Amino acid sequence: NAGVMQNPRHLVRRRGQEARLRCSPMKGHSHVYWYRQLPEEGLKFMVYLQKENIIDESGMPKERFSAEFPKEGPSILRIQQVVRGDSAAYFCASSPTGSNTEAFFGQGTRLTVV
Amino acid sequence: DAKTTQPTSMDCAEGRAANLPCNHSTISGNEYVYWYRQIHSQGPQYIIHGLKNNETNEMASLIITEDRKSSTLILPHATLRDTAVYYCIVRVADGGTSYGKLTFGQGTILTVHP
Repeated sequence: NAGVMQNPRHLVRRRGQEARLRCSPMKGHSHVYWYRQLPEEGLKFMVYLQKENIIDESGMPKERFSAEFPKEGPSILRIQQVVRGDSAAYFCASSPTGSNTEAFFGQGTRLTVV
Repeated sequence: DAKTTQPTSMDCAEGRAANLPCNHSTISGNEYVYWYRQIHSQGPQYIIHGLKNNETNEMASLIITEDRKSSTLILPHATLRDTAVYYCIVRVADGGTSYGKLTFGQGTILTVHP
């Protein structure tokens, strides 16, 4: 059973470009969580999605950031018009439910904005 | 905000047990205690979780006090590869706006030395 797959592992974007980060959850998992970790800082919750639904987006910046988890395919975290402050590691986790089950993390996407 | 308090750092000798404490005095009846660790900016790794009974798996043991206000993660025979940041998290098991998500605090930096 493959783990949570994130791609790309490293992404370089120029200021003003768009970044699309993909997360394929573990087989059978219908809940996805996105986290951001700025350099030398802790993990900050961004958004929690279930298939085709956003459950909790309380950690998402109000502008330029969006997330989706379609019925088919991976979850996508999209950052429009990236700025240097968006440079960070973005981690995705998945779980079969949102309840008392383990959530497993991917290895992250390191976004660098130049 | 994280609902847990952990020491900033701890040291442990290789081969000895590492006991990592966590205070969660405001834990609610529908919240589980989860432990994760992050090794050198890799994706967080699930260790163990519990509600009120002590739990053990191949990685660690989790001891939860009877009043559930604190817990201890025990790595029985620490190795150099256990050097990591260890996070204690309370997670809502059902219902409410915080349902399902993991809120990371600053964690404990565990250093295992030879």
